[in-house]
Amino acid sequence: LAKTTQPISMDSYEGQEVNITCSHNNIATNDYITWYQQFPSQGPRFIIQGYKTKVTNEVASLFIPADRKSSTLSLPRVSLSDTAVYYCLVASNDYKLSFGAGTTVTVRA
Amino acid sequence: EPEVTQTPSHQVTQMGQEVILHCVPISNHLYFYWYRQILGQKVEFLVSFYNNEISEKSEIFDDQFSVERPDGSNFTLKIRSTKLEDSAMYFCASSVSGNTATGELFFGEGSRLTVL
Repeated sequence: LAKTTQPISMDSYEGQEVNITCSHNNIATNDYITWYQQFPSQGPRFIIQGYKTKVTNEVASLFIPADRKSSTLSLPRVSLSDTAVYYCLVASNDYKLSFGAGTTVTVRA
Repeated sequence: EPEVTQTPSHQVTQMGQEVILHCVPISNHLYFYWYRQILGQKVEFLVSFYNNEISEKSEIFDDQFSVERPDGSNFTLKIRSTKLEDSAMYFCASSVSGNTATGELFFGEGSRLTVL
């Protein structure tokens, strides 16, 4: 199971772009990179997933370089409601997800 | 939007008592999971379940824990004899596919268990 490393916390202001980088040096060929968001006292919620290059949806973008040893979640123009814990996960087809400590993003007015 | 529902939202129990947490997964999902999160700590995998069998379980999921899908809609987690350290938020999740690499897990809002 590939270990992930991401910053413990990040602060931002409303309207700014937030980029969270996750390193996963031991990622395997079959692994995908997935990001989840968790608000206090709620279950994690899927944000985005990718294998390589760039993936974009209505919520975020995910940038994965060619070596796949890291990935960057980009949240455009954050608002106060984006304050949450963001988890970077590397998963293969093994019936479970392993969450790390995540990155606590605090958005201030 | 379909969602995973969990009951109760909060349960307080005495140490040594049995607790059953209930989950109704999304109706067309085939894979079911329980996770737990002790206050201030990370989300921990407990067990995955498919086709009425456990697919995988963690070291946390010892003989005190069991899961069941008693009918076509419910998925339960039973803790036979609760300990103080079982106090946590328990999350149920479901997915269409068991391929956690390419699939999405849908989590419920959680059941907070407090053991006194």
